Amino acid sequence: EVQLVESGGGLIQPGGSLRLSCAASGFTVSSNHMSWVRQAPGKGLEWVSIIYSGGNTNHADSVKGRFTISRDNSKNMLYLQMNSLRAEDTAVYYCARNPGPFDPWGQGTLVTVSS
Amino acid sequence: EIVMTQSPATLSVSPGERVTLSCRASQSVSSNLAWYQQKPGQAPRLLIYGASTRATGIPARFSGSGSGTEFTLTISSLQSEDFAVYYCQQYNNWPPWTFGQGTKVEIK
Repeated sequence: EVQLVESGGGLIQPGGSLRLSCAASGFTVSSNHMSWVRQAPGKGLEWVSIIYSGGNTNHADSVKGRFTISRDNSKNMLYLQMNSLRAEDTAVYYCARNPGPFDPWGQGTLVTVSS
Repeated sequence: EIVMTQSPATLSVSPGERVTLSCRASQSVSSNLAWYQQKPGQAPRLLIYGASTRATGIPARFSGSGSGTEFTLTISSLQSEDFAVYYCQQYNNWPPWTFGQGTKVEIK
């Protein structure tokens, strides 16, 4: 079964750092394009970052220079390193396989940036 | 960046009714358009991709149509489990991949 499970969310102060993890099963992360998508409380969906199967990455302008997407091929894991966090980064963060449409999605992990 | 606009924001319907949701792109996305369903506290679920192809396991009452800039998601006979928020998303011009703001289908 194809499955994604996120972890690493929590409460963090503004300016702090956090690393999210996404464990994949049923398929190989390194053979797929993989993205992070976030959803602020009560709001819509916003694409955040992608790592292509070839290893290149892209980030949304709103997080460029602060967030870094990466993967560990040996562990079949996806990561999102988030630095210089702001209140507006508060959201549920989902990892998703991204061949074009996003499918499947993990269950999400909540990041709350607040003092 | 392609802007996706969904209408209406909220739709109040009764079970058994036919439902039509609209999505418009600020420029052509060809048929590179997906629809998702999201229930409270859950992750989005892919319903339709390629504007009209149902994803695995999606009931036949869900159908998608359109190309270019105008798209429609139709639920032929709304079931109780279909009350949710629906999002469209383009994957023609990227990055970024962009979503509509969502249409909430609620019980009338």
